[in-house]
Amino acid sequence: AQRVTQPEKLLSVFKGAPVELKCNYSYSGSPELFWYVQYSRQRLQLLLRHISRESIKGFTADLNKGETSFHLKKPFAQEEDSAMYYCALKPLSGSARQLTFGSGTQLTVLP
Amino acid sequence: DTGVSQDPRHKITKRGQNVTFRCDPISEHNRLYWYRQTLGQGPEFLTYFQNEAQLEKSRLLSDRFSAERPKGSFSTLEIQRTEQGDSAMYLCASSLRDGQETQYFGPGTRLLVL
Repeated sequence: AQRVTQPEKLLSVFKGAPVELKCNYSYSGSPELFWYVQYSRQRLQLLLRHISRESIKGFTADLNKGETSFHLKKPFAQEEDSAMYYCALKPLSGSARQLTFGSGTQLTVLP
Repeated sequence: DTGVSQDPRHKITKRGQNVTFRCDPISEHNRLYWYRQTLGQGPEFLTYFQNEAQLEKSRLLSDRFSAERPKGSFSTLEIQRTEQGDSAMYLCASSLRDGQETQYFGPGTRLLVL
């Protein structure tokens, strides 16, 4: 069975400060990792996926298989980054296609 | 709006009543997922369809829950004999079976069982 842990329910940083949202996972096979974001009054949307290895809105995340982590980072937080962030995992192969989500981290960027 | 749509957006019902939710996926998407989200938690998988075939069901999906996707387009999720513990946000997502297979989520249906 797979599991995703986001240890921080709430995280506050000041505008311009670096931010790191932690995500750890457990899965016996090869996972695909994602970060989803939900802005206030909006639907859940994909922010980035580890396979793409791209930076979206200044955010990056590196899959560390040794530490089984997929932390989300941004060097300079902006007020518009305030949102709920969910880390999610999907098996890279096999028949199971569903996402397993963490419990989320509410990020608040203070002015 | 060509995104995933869900109806109704809110539902209040009394314990013991049956409720049905509808999800309309993005038109060319052949995979459709249902998730449930309770307060303070991330979404939890319930079931998924590829075209009209229901391929996987979670253990969370008790026999009071049933989902259909009769023509491989829209889907319905029915909860019979609702219980207070069924109160949650029910999310639908759809994806296209291709290399990326990004799941696009709908706005959700918030259910409150009194």
